Amino acid sequence: DGGITQSPKYLFRKEGQNVTLSCEQNLNHDAMYWYRQDPGQGLRLIYYSQIVNDFQKGDIAEGYSVSREKKESFPLTVTSAQKNPTAFYLCASSVVETGTGELFFGEGSRLTVL
Amino acid sequence: GEDVEQSLFLSVREGDSSVINCTYTDSSSTYLYWYKQEPGAGLQLLTYIFSNMDMKQDQRLTVLLNKKDKHLSLRIADTQTGDSAIYFCAETSNTGGFKTIFGAGTRLFVKA
Repeated sequence: DGGITQSPKYLFRKEGQNVTLSCEQNLNHDAMYWYRQDPGQGLRLIYYSQIVNDFQKGDIAEGYSVSREKKESFPLTVTSAQKNPTAFYLCASSVVETGTGELFFGEGSRLTVL
Repeated sequence: GEDVEQSLFLSVREGDSSVINCTYTDSSSTYLYWYKQEPGAGLQLLTYIFSNMDMKQDQRLTVLLNKKDKHLSLRIADTQTGDSAIYFCAETSNTGGFKTIFGAGTRLFVKA
């Protein structure tokens, strides 16, 4: 079955440590996205990529980094520079040139900083 | 910047209709969406409407779009306990590619 796989589902991190969240898709979508979800704030865009080896900052990119070396993969690193990293992180993908812009989401990764 | 607003909570009795409302600011919106999120999971597209339509019906779901007032609503007929979830209103425009703006989500409680 096609879909998006995020791992790990739960992650605990000590302050000052970097952590990388994995996102893999087998939908053959060109575009991939990372969103952060906080209670009562909806989804905020961190980074997005519309093609391999290219990505753009979203609305809250500070303290995060990404790479897009393969079409299927779009890992997110939460660095120690991110002041408030505890959140639910969602990866998504979409078709770029045609379609309705529907986003396909993974199941999410919950990061807790201790 | 562009914004999407929706109320945070809605409580209904099982069997009643639920109406979730949303307002948006982007006058160049192309598609407007309703996504559903079950607890601890990702979002799934429930339905969408193209900006030149004013109504779309899909089984128990009815989407109404008032483009003049930039108001979108989702009506769920015969609401069931399995409909309890967070419902996100979202929009995208043709400018800047498919950058989707989400509302804060409305948490729907269905009482048995």
